[in-house]
Amino acid sequence: AQSVTQLGSHVSVSEGALVLLRCNYSSSVPPYLFWYVQYPNQGLQLLLKYTSAATLVKGINGFEAEFKKSETSFHLTKPSAHMSDAAEYFCAVTKNTGNQFYFGTGTSLTVIP
Amino acid sequence: KAGVTQTPRYLIKTRGQQVTLSCSPISGHRSVSWYQQTPGQGLQFLFEYFSETQRNKGNFPGRFSGRQFSNSRSEMNVSTLELGDSALYLCASSPLGGGPPTGELFFGEGSRLTVL
Repeated sequence: AQSVTQLGSHVSVSEGALVLLRCNYSSSVPPYLFWYVQYPNQGLQLLLKYTSAATLVKGINGFEAEFKKSETSFHLTKPSAHMSDAAEYFCAVTKNTGNQFYFGTGTSLTVIP
Repeated sequence: KAGVTQTPRYLIKTRGQQVTLSCSPISGHRSVSWYQQTPGQGLQFLFEYFSETQRNKGNFPGRFSGRQFSNSRSEMNVSTLELGDSALYLCASSPLGGGPPTGELFFGEGSRLTVL
């Protein structure tokens, strides 16, 4: 079975500070892992994905995530937060075929000016 | 290229009624998935359709159903509405058929259902 756990439903950072959003996965097979972002009143948008290639994955808007099998983690980071990063972030895992995704409960990121 | 379009965007129903939500995928996309989003539960997978066939199904009661038409447009229906069905229902399309997923789910803005 596949699932993800996002630690911290709310995270606040100062503008210019490091962003770290945590995600741990549980998967009985090598996982495909994703981070999505949701801005207010919008659908979700893909930030980045891990599909068993490089363990350090770079996404859009300066975000990146590192797949660590030993820790079953796929944490999302950004060196310097911007006001426009304020949004809801979702970690997701899927089986190796098809489009059935399992999403975490989300982390709301607030950026303090 | 037009994105994923969901209608209606907002609707209010009362308990016991039924509702039908519509989703038009991006042109050329043949896979359509539906998700229920609630504040406490996050996004939960309802079902996925590909070429008019339901390919995957989540753990929801039979009151939740869907279908896909030959032009890839999809509808989902919820019968005998309950208060707990209040949620944002998201549709996502993908150009992918079978094989490894790319993660390229393109989401619509959702249909917000309120059940009174």
